[in-house]
Amino acid sequence: DAKTTQPPSMDCAEGRAANLPCNHSTISGNEYVYWYRQIHSQGPQYIIHGLKNNETNEMASLIITEDRKSSTLILPHATLRDTAVYYCIVRVGRGYNTDKLIFGTGTRLQVFP
Amino acid sequence: DTAVSQTPKYLVTQMGNDKSIKCEQNLGHDTMYWYKQDSKKFLKIMFSYNNKELIINETVPNRFSPKSPDKAHLNLHINSLELGDSAVYFCASSRVPGGGSPLHFGNGTRLTVT
Repeated sequence: DAKTTQPPSMDCAEGRAANLPCNHSTISGNEYVYWYRQIHSQGPQYIIHGLKNNETNEMASLIITEDRKSSTLILPHATLRDTAVYYCIVRVGRGYNTDKLIFGTGTRLQVFP
Repeated sequence: DTAVSQTPKYLVTQMGNDKSIKCEQNLGHDTMYWYKQDSKKFLKIMFSYNNKELIINETVPNRFSPKSPDKAHLNLHINSLELGDSAVYFCASSRVPGGGSPLHFGNGTRLTVT
């Protein structure tokens, strides 16, 4: 079972920031938070990941609360092409035989003009 | 160049047939995976390989047999195909196993069993 909880759907106006929340209250100390998205039926696309600190890259920012029980993915200026299903995933940090991404149902983000 | 490529993109076949899906990555990664996405859109891991060795076999029926001839390739062979095998199969790779190394996915193979 997925260790994360996300809202099933969200809307965002084009050009505005999209803030996608995720709860992971049972996360362990060595587990990373990952975000992927899937557009139509393409392969999941890696967005960003973090362990404890906030992270930013060219696609998005990841804000992780101090207790690490929740996080928010921020797309600073959403475009129509950001319409997709966004998955928040908790991934084990070590251990070859436990390394797997457990996908939940994700958040369907609809960006409208 | 595509980082993780799968062939074929679409595969339509009849029950009972045997088929293979090929996957290649040109990222120099050590670890490769197969994931399955069913009709309800749930993505679930099937196998992982590290340096050509099987690491995870997620209780997949033994009709499914992965094979890794080298680090850059992980193929999936399916025997005696069943209707329930219809799904999209995604190959992925990561630099190493473990939480700090992102997975990069291919664009999937849509398998339809009739």
